[in-house]
Amino acid sequence: KAGVTQTPRYLIKTRGQQVTLSCSPISGHRSVSWYQQTPGQGLQFLFEYFSETQRNKGNFPGRFSGRQFSNSRSEMNVSTLELGDSALYLCASSSTGGKSGELFFGEGSRLTVL
Amino acid sequence: QKEVEQNSGPLSVPEGAIASLNCTYSDRGSQSFFWYRQYSGKSPELIMFIYSNGDKEDGRFTAQLNKASQYVSLLIRDSQPSDSATYLCAVNKDNQGGKLIFGQGTELSVKP
Repeated sequence: KAGVTQTPRYLIKTRGQQVTLSCSPISGHRSVSWYQQTPGQGLQFLFEYFSETQRNKGNFPGRFSGRQFSNSRSEMNVSTLELGDSALYLCASSSTGGKSGELFFGEGSRLTVL
Repeated sequence: QKEVEQNSGPLSVPEGAIASLNCTYSDRGSQSFFWYRQYSGKSPELIMFIYSNGDKEDGRFTAQLNKASQYVSLLIRDSQPSDSATYLCAVNKDNQGGKLIFGQGTELSVKP
């Protein structure tokens, strides 16, 4: 069974640009969550999608957005990039979408903003 | 006060010893608790979860939960060098699906 796939794995952008990251969950998983990981702040929750609906949202500005498609694939977008957005962006999928916090993480997309 | 707190370490133990990792959380209503392991340069992987007070054992790993004290711990028996990683404690408040609050992680080093 294939794991969670994230693309691209690495990317470099400049301030003010926007970026779109993609995540394909494990087959059959309907919940996709996105996290930002930085050395200073650790792992922080961005948002969760379940059956194409945003179910939970973290404390990030509106520049961070996401969506989920009918095949459960998800994208997140960051507009007007800032230097502080440099981070590892992790996508995680879950099978139950309910009580579970049993997440399966992808390898991440490492974003560098110059 | 952070919602989930862990000692950042590094925690160094000799091979074969018991490693004890601790975590406290601030929201008394938190429902479920998780331990993830993250090797350097890799993504986190789930190793234990616990929902009820008491101990839960899985192989060399034991998770302990004390809701009254708002305390979660992970014990690793017979520690191996391959256990060297950062261990992340995570809390799911109100069973909010995939929304986990993570601690900063404890770096564990197991010396041969």
